[in-house]
Amino acid sequence: KAGVTQTPRYLIKTRGQQVTLSCSPISGHRSVSWYQQTPGQGLQFLFEYFSETQRNKGNFPGRFSGRQFSNSRSEMNVSTLELGDSALYLCASSLDGWSTNSPLHFGNGTRLTVT
Amino acid sequence: KNQVEQSPQSLIILEGKNCTLQCNYTVSPFSNLRWYKQDTGRGPVSLTIMTFSENTKSNGRYTATLDADTKQSSLHITASQLSDSASYICVVSAPGTASKLTFGTGTRLQVTL
Repeated sequence: KAGVTQTPRYLIKTRGQQVTLSCSPISGHRSVSWYQQTPGQGLQFLFEYFSETQRNKGNFPGRFSGRQFSNSRSEMNVSTLELGDSALYLCASSLDGWSTNSPLHFGNGTRLTVT
Repeated sequence: KNQVEQSPQSLIILEGKNCTLQCNYTVSPFSNLRWYKQDTGRGPVSLTIMTFSENTKSNGRYTATLDADTKQSSLHITASQLSDSASYICVVSAPGTASKLTFGTGTRLQVTL
């Protein structure tokens, strides 16, 4: 069974630009969540989508947005990039969202560098 | 404020030795506690998931313990191998959805010859 696939693996952008990251979940998984990981802050939750609906959102500015398609694939968009947006962006899928025994399966992330 | 604190921040051990990583949390109410292993440049991989009613769970050479009364968990690694070199992240969840996940900042383990 294929794992969670994130594309691209690496991305370099300049301040002010926008970027779109893609995540393909494990087949059959309906929940996709996104996280930002930086050395100083660790992993921080961005948002979760379930059956094409945003179910929860973390404490990030509106420049961060996402969506989920009918095939459960998800995209995350960051507009007006800032230097502080440089991070590893991780996507995780799970069978039916956040339940007690439903593990999160993470992709290997997209490393975004903003210059 | 919900917090998850892990100790030590980093650890170096010799191959073949055992080690124990600690996780203290203040999340309440509490649903489950998870340990993840993250290799450099890769996404985290789930090691164990424990609910409040479980006090120990094993996954090969990894054994997690949980004391819900003191809000403490530990991850014990037996007979360490070079491939155990990674960051280990403790994640605690409250009942409900992903926004109530609280992540620790991890323990960086290095196993040397």
